Amino acid sequence: LAKTTQPISMDSYEGQEVNITCSHNNIATNDYITWYQQFPSQGPRFIIQGYKTKVTNEVASLFIPADRKSSTLSLPRVSLSDTAVYYCLVGDIWDDKIIFGKGTRLHILP
Amino acid sequence: KAGVTQTPRYLIKTRGQQVTLSCSPISGHRSVSWYQQTPGQGLQFLFEYFSETQRNKGNFPGRFSGRQFSNSRSEMNVSTLELGDSALYLCASSLYPTTPSEQYFGPGTRLTVT
Repeated sequence: LAKTTQPISMDSYEGQEVNITCSHNNIATNDYITWYQQFPSQGPRFIIQGYKTKVTNEVASLFIPADRKSSTLSLPRVSLSDTAVYYCLVGDIWDDKIIFGKGTRLHILP
Repeated sequence: KAGVTQTPRYLIKTRGQQVTLSCSPISGHRSVSWYQQTPGQGLQFLFEYFSETQRNKGNFPGRFSGRQFSNSRSEMNVSTLELGDSALYLCASSLYPTTPSEQYFGPGTRLTVT
């Protein structure tokens, strides 16, 4: 299972675009990349998932370069309510044993 | 549609005791996974059940066990509790376990072992 590495914490300001990068050098062919958001005292919430290139939904965008050894979660125009921990996960499509890393604690300032 | 529910929400136990946690998945979801979350280790996968069968298991001792019932509800049991078992235990459900699909997490059960 591919291990992921993310920054421990990040600060940004309201209205800014925030990019959180995750490294997964040992990603396997069958692995998907998934990002979750977690608020204090709540379970993680699915944000976005991708395999390669770019994926966009109403909440975020996910950029995955051709070598897939890293990925970047992009949150447009963040607000105070985006303050949370963001987890990057890499999982085998044939093995649903999802492994969470330590996550990135994002703090949005007014 | 109701979300994933976990009971109890908070629990205090003493070392050596055992504990059973319950998880009710979203209606129609047949896959249930359990995770342990601690400040030091983050979120760690415990095990996953689908159609009453354990499909995957994380790297935890045999004191941690689980089961799933025919209605997809799941229980997790920890025997001979240790101080290090104090954690937030999260349950997640999804329709199928065949892909790293969207998992819907419950609010968790916070277990404190004294």
